[in-house]
Amino acid sequence: RKEVEQDPGPFNVPEGATVAFNCTYSNSASQSFFWYRQDCRKEPKLLMSVYSSGNEDGRFTAQLNRASQYISLLIRDSKLSDSATYLCVVNLSGNMLTFGGGTRLMVKP
Amino acid sequence: ETGVTQSPTHLIKTRGQQVTLRCSSQSGHNTVSWYQQALGQGPQFIFQYYREEENGRGNFPPRFSGLQFPNYSSELNVNALELDDSALYLCASSSTGEEKLFFGSGTQLSVL
Repeated sequence: RKEVEQDPGPFNVPEGATVAFNCTYSNSASQSFFWYRQDCRKEPKLLMSVYSSGNEDGRFTAQLNRASQYISLLIRDSKLSDSATYLCVVNLSGNMLTFGGGTRLMVKP
Repeated sequence: ETGVTQSPTHLIKTRGQQVTLRCSSQSGHNTVSWYQQALGQGPQFIFQYYREEENGRGNFPPRFSGLQFPNYSSELNVNALELDDSALYLCASSSTGEEKLFFGSGTQLSVL
């Protein structure tokens, strides 16, 4: 079983749609959680940290459920520029990150 | 721009050769981590260096080795290259106590 699992997609959605990605992790001792965005063969960039209380940054909302070991990302009012791969990331300790395989999003006009 | 620079950007090697990849960390960052990203997969943690010592390692064989220098820059060395070593190699720097990592734009290694 992979340590961090994501649906690889692709998710093909029209502009303006709402789309949700999910991720599960296997190590209950994981300390912190993130969503990263990666454009084709470029470096990953931090999108947002994820907290149990939920957090929102503009059109993006992230949620952590520690009991279920489940992380989610919601994107509202999708833009063409949101097309990318979204990586679910878990930090067990010391910034040695474990990445999921990524979920590919394609937003179409 | 993150301030983390990697060189070279692209590299082609043949099986059995050795390769050295370089990374300059962002100013003020004392920790450097290396990741391998194969096509279609997420990055995999190789190892991390802090104050010139390896302080964490992922599931990679000993032919993957590294160094960190007093100025916190770092090298990743891979011996006896295999076809499966073809990947994007990412360097990330961070500062003690901070969770945010800053990634370089990577080195694309192709092993033929």
